[in-house]
Amino acid sequence: DADVTQTPRNRITKTGKRIMLECSQTKGHDRMYWYRQDPGLGLRLIYYSFDVKDINKGEISDGYSVSRQAQAKFSLSLESAIPNQTALYFCATSDPASGTGIYGYTFGSGTRLTVV
Amino acid sequence: GQQLNQSPQSMFIQEGEDVSMNCTSSSIFNTWLWYKQEPGEGPVLLIALYKAGELTSNGRLTAQFGITRKDSFLNISASIPSDVGIYFCAGYTPSHNAGNMLTFGGGTRLMVKP
Repeated sequence: DADVTQTPRNRITKTGKRIMLECSQTKGHDRMYWYRQDPGLGLRLIYYSFDVKDINKGEISDGYSVSRQAQAKFSLSLESAIPNQTALYFCATSDPASGTGIYGYTFGSGTRLTVV
Repeated sequence: GQQLNQSPQSMFIQEGEDVSMNCTSSSIFNTWLWYKQEPGEGPVLLIALYKAGELTSNGRLTAQFGITRKDSFLNISASIPSDVGIYFCAGYTPSHNAGNMLTFGGGTRLMVKP
């Protein structure tokens, strides 16, 4: 099983619909992140969480919300999806105490979301 | 926010050729990292650089942390088809990022013709 699992892998949804992307990890890391990838723009941070009680906005949090249900689970919601939220979404984890420290992000395989 | 300018955006090369890509910033970073994203997967860490001037190799990959701390490059020697993917640079500095975040470049898409 993958260390960081994202579901669904692909999703097509209609404008205005609410959608949730889920992420679970088996690495035991406290820190979890949601990134959005658009062609040529790299990875942009949406939200991050350093533990279950800590949630922080990233650079592009508008239109998104998150929930850290447990150390291992971090979900991303689009309350009312719009077409410019069509992108590839990645969840990642990190642990300052691990071998690669805070820099060794472990990414999931991504969720490709299309809003029509 | 901070930006990392990564170039080229894409490269289409012949198998066996060497590849060079770089990342520049207007801000200083004290750590540079290079990730590779293969089709259908998330990015995976290739190399981490912690000191200005540092040159680090990982197999056919070599990366350097620029002396000015504002740039880094990645070289791939004797490319092979499995080198295909998107390569991302990422930078970190505690003075600019809240909570120790990474800033990512826009990526270099590498295509290798057998």
